[in-house]
Amino acid sequence: DAGVIQSPRHEVTEMGQEVTLRCKPISGHDYLFWYRQTMMRGLELLIYFNNNVPIDDSGMPEDRFSAKMPNASFSTLKIQPSEPRDSAVYFCASSRTGGGQPQHFGDGTRLSIL
Amino acid sequence: QKEVEQNSGPLSVPEGAIASLNCTYSDRVSQSFFWYRQYSGKSPELIMSIYSNGDKEDGRFTAQLNKASQYVSLLIRDSQPSDSATYLCAVISNTGGFKTIFGAGTRLFVKA
Repeated sequence: DAGVIQSPRHEVTEMGQEVTLRCKPISGHDYLFWYRQTMMRGLELLIYFNNNVPIDDSGMPEDRFSAKMPNASFSTLKIQPSEPRDSAVYFCASSRTGGGQPQHFGDGTRLSIL
Repeated sequence: QKEVEQNSGPLSVPEGAIASLNCTYSDRVSQSFFWYRQYSGKSPELIMSIYSNGDKEDGRFTAQLNKASQYVSLLIRDSQPSDSATYLCAVISNTGGFKTIFGAGTRLFVKA
């Protein structure tokens, strides 16, 4: 079975540009999570969806960040406008329904904002 | 107080020794506990899950859970250099939805 698929793997762009990160969860998983990881702050939950509906976006740092899940097999995380402090590794993860299921992570997108 | 706490390390052990990684959590109603391994530059990979008090063994790995003390640990027997990684403790809090809280991770070095 294919795991969680993220694209792109690496993104380098200039400050002020729009950045879109993409994620395809594991088929049959109805929870999807977006995380950001930095050396200083560790792994931070940004937002998660259940059955394509955003459940908790309290971790989204500010209005420049937005996430959508138009269907069960696709989600995007958008940053507009991007800033150098957004540089991090962004992970998408998915899990099955039912409380207590572990999450499975994609390979991540390494984002560098110049 | 952080919701999930781990010693950041680094924890250094010789090859063949037992590595002991510890984690405490603050939400008493937490029901699900996980250990993830993350190699440098890679994504977290699930290695153990535990839901009941006591020990759970899987190969060289043993997870231990004590809900009364709000404590979960991971023992790695016969440590190998390939075990050198950051180990993340994760707890699912049942309050406010099934949100997984990750600890900051413990860096483990196994010296050959």
